[in-house]
Amino acid sequence: DAKTTQPNSMESNEEEPVHLPCNHSTISGTDYIHWYRQLPSQGPEYVIHGLTSNVNNRMASLAIAEDRKSSTLILHRATLRDAAVYYCILRDWDAGNMLTFGGGTRLMVKP
Amino acid sequence: DAGVTQSPTHLIKTRGQQVTLRCSPKSGHDTVSWYQQALGQGPQFIFQYYEEEERQRGNFPDRFSGHQFPNYSSELNVNALLLGDSALYLCASTPGQSSYEQYFGPGTRLTVT
Repeated sequence: DAKTTQPNSMESNEEEPVHLPCNHSTISGTDYIHWYRQLPSQGPEYVIHGLTSNVNNRMASLAIAEDRKSSTLILHRATLRDAAVYYCILRDWDAGNMLTFGGGTRLMVKP
Repeated sequence: DAGVTQSPTHLIKTRGQQVTLRCSPKSGHDTVSWYQQALGQGPQFIFQYYEEEERQRGNFPDRFSGHQFPNYSSELNVNALLLGDSALYLCASTPGQSSYEQYFGPGTRLTVT
């Protein structure tokens, strides 16, 4: 699996938007971009995924660069419950269920 | 729906011992994967079970083995425990071998002394 690069940590104010960046310059054409998050003392939780087009769901939005070498997870209004480690993962469509996690970004939300 | 459940929650073992961890997948899911998460790091894939067979394996030694039962539940066995095996062991389940959304359990915290 191709590697991703994320900032170690980010800070946000409650009720403000948060943009979490991810670089994946060696992404292949069959790699999907997945985001998971891990709240304290819990297992990871699926957030969103996409291939080429921007995606929205009830939790977040995923903005994918036109060349697909980077992407941004957008939380529209951060809450204290969004404080977690966010992982950006590339997964080939034919790779089965194996997820290759990196170090992720620790998001801190200030009240 | 109870989601993915794991037992026990915590476990303390001594070097050289063997340990068995258990996982019950989310209702309707037939595929189980296991991950190891060392403190401060992201989870690492150990292996995946589907139809009672190991289908994919990460870069882990043979000391790590598993089993899946007809009811889709799974066990992770680790033999000859090392101090470095101390970690959070996570189980994830999916409906099928290649699903975009994996459901993780809360994990079992293993401490090897």
